[in-house]
Amino acid sequence: DGGITQSPKYLFRKEGQNVTLSCEQNLNHDAMYWYRQDPGQGLRLIYYSQIVNDFQKGDIAEGYSVSREKKESFPLTVTSAQKNPTAFYLCASSGQGAYNEQFFGPGTRLTVL
Amino acid sequence: QKEVEQNSGPLSVPEGAIASLNCTYSDRVSQSFFWYRQYSGKSPELIMSIYSNGDKEDGRFTAQLNKASQYVSLLIRDSQPSDSATYLCAVRRAYGGATNKLIFGTGTLLAVQP
Repeated sequence: DGGITQSPKYLFRKEGQNVTLSCEQNLNHDAMYWYRQDPGQGLRLIYYSQIVNDFQKGDIAEGYSVSREKKESFPLTVTSAQKNPTAFYLCASSGQGAYNEQFFGPGTRLTVL
Repeated sequence: QKEVEQNSGPLSVPEGAIASLNCTYSDRVSQSFFWYRQYSGKSPELIMSIYSNGDKEDGRFTAQLNKASQYVSLLIRDSQPSDSATYLCAVRRAYGGATNKLIFGTGTLLAVQP
């Protein structure tokens, strides 16, 4: 069954802790993305990767880090430097090129206590 | 000016009516256009993609693209209460090293009244 999985679904973090959100896809997509969505707001791009071992900052990369060691996996670490990390985090993937469709995983809802 | 603009709504339509959702974009080199549906608390789901001027139909959904006017719309025929959701418009440029990046609008909330 092809798709994108994210774990955990809900995550609670204490202030000052780093946490890592998992994203895995079996769609054989080259490109993967991380977005953040705040209540009543649009999607904001955090990081994206178009190929293994390469990634670029999006619009709001400060306080986040990523790695892309495998084609299937693109984990996101929310560091203690992120001032307001409580949000809905969405991972997505797509093929390369202008006409490829982008699909989203189910999301991880992070709450900082 | 935002790169992708949508009316935030809510757009309220009666059940069985046609819902018309609109989106404008600022970058003329944009090449591909997408509509996503997002239910409250869920992730966005792709419902339509369109690349050429004109209409593209899929079931009750029709996407319309006018590149000269930099305008893309989504029509939902025979609207059902289950169509009540936020609809996100997304646009992809096709230049430079970021050919895969989508630019999203903030979405239009659609409410279909039974």
